[in-house]
Amino acid sequence: GNSVTQMEGPVTLSEEAFLTINCTYTATGYPSLFWYVQYPGEGLQLLLKATKADDKGSNKGFEATYRKETTSFHLEKGSVQVSDSAVYFCAAVTQGGSEKLVFGKGTKLTVNP
Amino acid sequence: DGGITQSPKYLFRKEGQNVTLSCEQNLNHDAMYWYRQDPGQGLRLIYYSQIVNDFQKGDIAEGYSVSREKKESFPLTVTSAQKNPTAFYLCASKGGVTNTGELFFGEGSRLTVL
Repeated sequence: GNSVTQMEGPVTLSEEAFLTINCTYTATGYPSLFWYVQYPGEGLQLLLKATKADDKGSNKGFEATYRKETTSFHLEKGSVQVSDSAVYFCAAVTQGGSEKLVFGKGTKLTVNP
Repeated sequence: DGGITQSPKYLFRKEGQNVTLSCEQNLNHDAMYWYRQDPGQGLRLIYYSQIVNDFQKGDIAEGYSVSREKKESFPLTVTSAQKNPTAFYLCASKGGVTNTGELFFGEGSRLTVL
């Protein structure tokens, strides 16, 4: 089955700093990859996704590129804001079977003014 | 607006009591899921259902039960057999012809056992 390993947190940055949260996956076939964000006390929201190798997902200034050669999908943002403080989850699923979406353990990001 | 509604948002229960968490979706999705979230442990799958009148155990099904009598509804019962039920519970759904595997989540229900 699939598995996802992401960078352990917590991560604390100052406003306007560069963000990278690492994510690697192990999967059968070619999975679709996702980043979800969870703000305090809320459910998860899809942040971005990529469905095939070399695809780049982007949203709200965040980007992640599907790297098949390194089985990675690292999340990046050039200049973080206080409002980006949240928990970020990497996830993977292989379509076509009974495969379920598999999540990493989450990385808590705190951005200070 | 289409979405997933979980209720109640907060729930307190005494030890030995069963409680049922509601999850309703109007997205016309076939598949629905229940996850449990504990601090530092990410999300763990409790039960899932890919179609009405059918459901399967996830990774931590012991002490929980579900039903799927209608496409829109997937209630979760936390029974007295669940040893440590205090947690944040998330319901999700998946479906649609253009879906690429992503899940849509509700806002969650926080259960506290007193």
